[in-house]
Amino acid sequence: NAGVTQTPKFQVLKTGQSMTLQCAQDMNHNSMYWYRQDPGMGLRLIYYSASEGTTDKGEVPNGYNVSRLNKREFSLRLESAAPSQTSVYFCASDEGARSPQHFGDGTRLSIL
Amino acid sequence: GDSVTQMEGPVTLSEEAFLTINCTYTATGYPSLFWYVQYPGEGLQLLLKATKADDKGSNKGFEATYRKETTSFHLEKGSVQVSDSAVYFCALYNTDKLIFGTGTRLQVFP
Repeated sequence: NAGVTQTPKFQVLKTGQSMTLQCAQDMNHNSMYWYRQDPGMGLRLIYYSASEGTTDKGEVPNGYNVSRLNKREFSLRLESAAPSQTSVYFCASDEGARSPQHFGDGTRLSIL
Repeated sequence: GDSVTQMEGPVTLSEEAFLTINCTYTATGYPSLFWYVQYPGEGLQLLLKATKADDKGSNKGFEATYRKETTSFHLEKGSVQVSDSAVYFCALYNTDKLIFGTGTRLQVFP
C-alpha cells in the first residue's frame, strides 16, 4: 500500500536554482494538493487540483507552479528558489466531497 | 473567512493522564471537522472525523464531539501513552478546501 509517494525526501538548493517536487498517488483519487508546513503556522495550501486537467491557487501560491500530469501525478515546481521557501512540503490526495485527505511523508527543502 | 484555532503547546503529560486539546472554529455553513496526527518525520494521518453537529468521532481511544453551539471540536483521551507523543492538528473542510489549525505538540513521559 504505497498511498501517496513524494520524491525527493530531502533537498538542498542554492538561491535562484529551480527544482520540481514529484507526487504520485495510487488510490485513484480525483483531488490532489500541495501544502507547506512551517513552524507555528500549521499547513498552508499552495495549489490544488480538483480533477485531472484542472489546477487552482491556494493560500500561498506565489513563487510556485504546478502540473497535474495525469490522474496519479501532481508536481510542484520552484522556478527560482528563495530562502523564504525553505519548508517541509506535503502532497495529499482525496476522493473529493469532504473525504479525508491522505498525505505523503513530505519533502524537506532547504534553500541557502 | 473560515479558520481553526487550537490551544498552543506543547502539552506535557505523564503516562495514563487525561488529555484535552482544545479546538474552536469559525465557518459559514456546515463544515466537516477532522483531527489529524503527525508523528516525527511523517506526514499527517487522519485520526478521527465528524460531519455534522453532535456527531462523535473516535479512534484509538481518542474522541471528539462536533459542538455547533460552541463551535468546538475538542480532542480527548482518557489515558495517554508514550506512543501518543506527536503533533495534533484540528481541521475543517468547507466548500472545497481543508483548513488546518497550527497544531499542538503532545509530549507524554513515562
